[in-house]
Amino acid sequence: EAQVTQNPRYLITVTGKKLTVTCSQNMNHEYMSWYRQDPGLGLRQIYYSMNVEVTDKGDVPEGYKVSRKEKRNFPLILESPSPNQTSLYFCASSLSRQGNEKLFFGSGTQLSVL
Amino acid sequence: AQSVTQLGSHVSVSEGALVLLRCNYSSSVPPYLFWYVQYPNQGLQLLLKYTSAATLVKGINGFEAEFKKSETSFHLTKPSAHMSDAAEYFCAVTPNTNAGKSTFGDGTTLTVKP
Repeated sequence: EAQVTQNPRYLITVTGKKLTVTCSQNMNHEYMSWYRQDPGLGLRQIYYSMNVEVTDKGDVPEGYKVSRKEKRNFPLILESPSPNQTSLYFCASSLSRQGNEKLFFGSGTQLSVL
Repeated sequence: AQSVTQLGSHVSVSEGALVLLRCNYSSSVPPYLFWYVQYPNQGLQLLLKYTSAATLVKGINGFEAEFKKSETSFHLTKPSAHMSDAAEYFCAVTPNTNAGKSTFGDGTTLTVKP
């Protein structure tokens, strides 16, 4: 089944403890992206990747890192999480770099930073 | 910079009534436009997209949207609401000049009353 898989689905951590949220897609998509969703703010783009080894900042990249060493994986790293990073995170991918391609979304990761 | 405005964070309609969810964008060049739907505890899925082929776009589940360049709008409609349409709806844009960037509106929660 074609899908975007995020893990974990729920995560509770403490301030300053490094964590990684994994994202993997099995559709051979070139483009991948991370978003955070907060009530009343919609989805805001954190980072995106147009292809392997190519990443770029979205609108809210502060406090996050990403890497794209393989086409299928695009992990999101929080090296020193803070409470303001408590949010619902979504990974998404699309077939190509064309802007008219639809995004396929993962099921989300609910992160709580205490 | 592009932006997306969804008028009305909450819309309530009766079952069988017309659904109208509003989306306006700001961009010097018409971007690619999308509507996504999010059901509770799920990721987003594409309803429809505008890619300049036709101004009236038909999507899944009976939804459609009309692109109006003069009004910079892309409102979503459905002639007759069903209980299963209750969800959160997001309008999104991708600029022609940077296919990696995506901007989402704040979302509109649709409630359908029996």
